[in-house]
Amino acid sequence: NAGVMQNPRHLVRRRGQEARLRCSPMKGHSHVYWYRQLPEEGLKFMVYLQKENIIDESGMPKERFSAEFPKEGPSILRIQQVVRGDSAAYFCASSPRLEANEQFFGPGTRLTVL
Amino acid sequence: AQKITQTQPGMFVQEKEAVTLDCTYDTSDQSYGLFWYKQPSSGEMIFLIYQGSYDEQNATEGRYSLNFQKARKSANLVISASQLGDSAMYFCAMRELYSGGGADGLTFGKGTHLIIQP
Repeated sequence: NAGVMQNPRHLVRRRGQEARLRCSPMKGHSHVYWYRQLPEEGLKFMVYLQKENIIDESGMPKERFSAEFPKEGPSILRIQQVVRGDSAAYFCASSPRLEANEQFFGPGTRLTVL
Repeated sequence: AQKITQTQPGMFVQEKEAVTLDCTYDTSDQSYGLFWYKQPSSGEMIFLIYQGSYDEQNATEGRYSLNFQKARKSANLVISASQLGDSAMYFCAMRELYSGGGADGLTFGKGTHLIIQP
């Protein structure tokens, strides 16, 4: 049973470009969470999605950031017009059901904005 | 609002000694879950242990145990017989559990960098 998959593992973008980060949850998991980890910091919650629905986006920046989890395919975190401050590790986690205790994390995508 | 405080930015411990990593939390909710994750230098987040606010027993998982003191709002991680491979960042996290069964994202502390010395 494969774990949570994230790709790419490393992404380099120039200021103003778009970044697309993908997350495939564990098989059978329909709940996906995105987190951002700035250097020397803990993870910060960004958004919680179920299939085709955004449940909680209270941690998402108001501009340039969006997330989706379509019926088919991976969850996508999209950052438009990236700036240097977007450089961070972005983690995706999944859980099988609403009341599950554990969130299984992917290996993360390290975004570097030049 | 939830808040997690980890007051130890870094710790050096001799191999085979026991380690206690501190974590205090703040929440107004009665129903919540507490988690510890390990992040080695490779970067992945590894789940270690979970404690529910209504669990009467302290959680244990192998060499890991969680010293849960609800009245003091603390959830310290204890690692017994430390090993060189335990060197990593350790994050305490919590999540409020709503009465309807819903749950949102985890709130993380800033972490403790643990270094085990031979």
